[in-house]
Amino acid sequence: DADVTQTPRNRITKTGKRIMLECSQTKGHDRMYWYRQDPGLGLQLIYYSFDVKDINKGEISDGYSVSRQAQAKFSLSLESAIPNQTALYFCATSDDDSGRAGEQFFGPGTRLTVL
Amino acid sequence: GENVEQHPSTLSVQEGDSAVIKCTYSDSASNYFPWYKQELGKGPQLIIDIRSNVGEKKDQRIAVTLNKTAKHFSLHITETQPEDSAVYFCAASIRGGGADGLTFGKGTHLIIQP
Repeated sequence: DADVTQTPRNRITKTGKRIMLECSQTKGHDRMYWYRQDPGLGLQLIYYSFDVKDINKGEISDGYSVSRQAQAKFSLSLESAIPNQTALYFCATSDDDSGRAGEQFFGPGTRLTVL
Repeated sequence: GENVEQHPSTLSVQEGDSAVIKCTYSDSASNYFPWYKQELGKGPQLIIDIRSNVGEKKDQRIAVTLNKTAKHFSLHITETQPEDSAVYFCAASIRGGGADGLTFGKGTHLIIQP
């Protein structure tokens, strides 16, 4: 089984709808992240969480919210989806290696289309 | 914030030749520089990383070099093979002081010609 799973893998929705993307991990990592990938733009950080009680905004958090329900679960919500939020969304995890940055493990991605 | 520039955006090489991808970063406080490979339909996967206290690191056919003074780092792939075809991303990270997360370059599409 995959260590980092994302549901759904594909989603088509309409402008104004509320959407939740879910991420689960079995790696036992404290840190979790949500990234957005657009063609030719690399990946951009939306939100990250150090642990269940700690949520932080990334570089493009406007229009998004997150919830860390448990160490293993981190959800991303679009309260009112708009077409320019059409993108590939990735969840990632990393270990808290004594305060040092380290490898991030990515899920398979969720392709979201907002019509 | 940090800004990472990556070149080229597309690189086509003959099988067996070497490939080099270059990145520059803006924040001198960045201290961790990973390279990720993304195959079609999959999430990025780490292939090699380097920390700011090291100038070069090798792992079989892959090597990364870091020049802190110039704020650039490069990925070198030797004896390229068809399975090396993918999109490669460089990234830079500062961890500490409540900050976290990676700043990615825009990616290089590496094409290995048979």
